[in-house]
Amino acid sequence: AQSVAQPEDQVNVAEGNPLTVKCTYSVSGNPYLFWYVQYPNRGLQFLLKYITGDNLVKGSYGFEAEFNKSQTSFHLKKPSALVSDSALYFCAVRDISNFNKFYFGSGTKLNVKP
Amino acid sequence: DTGVSQDPRHKITKRGQNVTFRCDPISEHNRLYWYRQTLGQGPEFLTYFQNEAQLEKSRLLSDRFSAERPKGSFSTLEIQRTEQGDSAMYLCASSTGVLYGYTFGSGTRLTVV
Repeated sequence: AQSVAQPEDQVNVAEGNPLTVKCTYSVSGNPYLFWYVQYPNRGLQFLLKYITGDNLVKGSYGFEAEFNKSQTSFHLKKPSALVSDSALYFCAVRDISNFNKFYFGSGTKLNVKP
Repeated sequence: DTGVSQDPRHKITKRGQNVTFRCDPISEHNRLYWYRQTLGQGPEFLTYFQNEAQLEKSRLLSDRFSAERPKGSFSTLEIQRTEQGDSAMYLCASSTGVLYGYTFGSGTRLTVV
């Protein structure tokens, strides 16, 4: 079975500082990993994905994520946080036996303070 | 409109009533998905369509739930005899292929009182 875990319910960071939102995965095989962001009362928006290739993946709004196979992690990062980045972030892994299904983490609330 | 549209945005219903939600995917997307999100949790897979064919249903989708996509365009999700445990955000998403991320709609928030 595939799963992802987001160990932090909430991350607080000051505007202008770097941010990291953590995600670890459990997959038997090569993982297809995704990050989504959700603003209040809205659906999820795609940020970036890792399928294969470079371990550092660049995505929307200046976000990037680093795939680390030895640590089974896929942490989301941004060099300089903005107040407008405050939202709920979800890590997800694609079911390798059924590519049409995702398993989502429980989400991490990012608070960026001015 | 190039996004995924869901209607209604909010629905409050009494326990035991039936409700129906609609999703209009991006027109060129042949895959359509329904997910359910409860408070403090990530979305959970409910069902998936490729064109008009419903190819998979989660065991979360009890007999009270039914989904259709009659012409391979919009989809409906019906819940019969609603229960308080059905209260959640129901998310629809669409995509063009398995290697792409989904495009989600804004969801329908259901409250069963």
